[in-house]
Amino acid sequence: DVKVTQSSRYLVKRTGEKVFLECVQDMDHENMFWYRQDPGLGLRLIYFSYDVKMKEKGDIPEGYSVSREKKERFSLILESASTNQTSMYLCASSLLSGMNTEAFFGQGTRLTVV
Amino acid sequence: GESVGLHLPTLSVQEGDNSIINCAYSNSASDYFIWYKQESGKGPQFIIDIRSNMDKRQGQRVTVLLNKTVKHLSLQIAATQPGDSAVYFCAESMNSGYSTLTFGKGTMLLVSP
Repeated sequence: DVKVTQSSRYLVKRTGEKVFLECVQDMDHENMFWYRQDPGLGLRLIYFSYDVKMKEKGDIPEGYSVSREKKERFSLILESASTNQTSMYLCASSLLSGMNTEAFFGQGTRLTVV
Repeated sequence: GESVGLHLPTLSVQEGDNSIINCAYSNSASDYFIWYKQESGKGPQFIIDIRSNMDKRQGQRVTVLLNKTVKHLSLQIAATQPGDSAVYFCAESMNSGYSTLTFGKGTMLLVSP
């Protein structure tokens, strides 16, 4: 069974803290993604990676960075957390190209910044 | 999560009814479309997909219809069950290069017993 695992379901952090959200996939997928999900705004792409050590900005990269040191792991970093980064964060993975570009999602991390 | 459904269009149906959820997509160059289901507290799960060379695709109790002329996608669920209650998202992408999915804002489906 395919699996995308996010390290935490719930996190509470203080304003100004550095926050790491970790994601691991076991499907040998090339692509990995970080989205945030907010009421009324749907899923918005923060960053994605199509290979180890490669990264591309999505639609809302400001305030975030990412790290992809190994193929199976994609980390989202909030350098200095702010209250407007309180959100549900979703990690996903997919094949690089081909006939099927379905993305598989993790269960999400609900981050609250106080 | 529990707040995903706030501010969303909502479709309320009775158990056993057929449900139709609609989606307007934005990019006329998109050639791959997916419907996802998101239950409370979980990440989105794949339901069904369709490529632009098709206008209809059927799965188990679900059918996706694609109208490229008006950039419209719909998901039909037959004999809707309480377990179908969730938020449903459509997503589009171009199946070339470094493809990324662009998601719609979602529709909440509420099924009453």
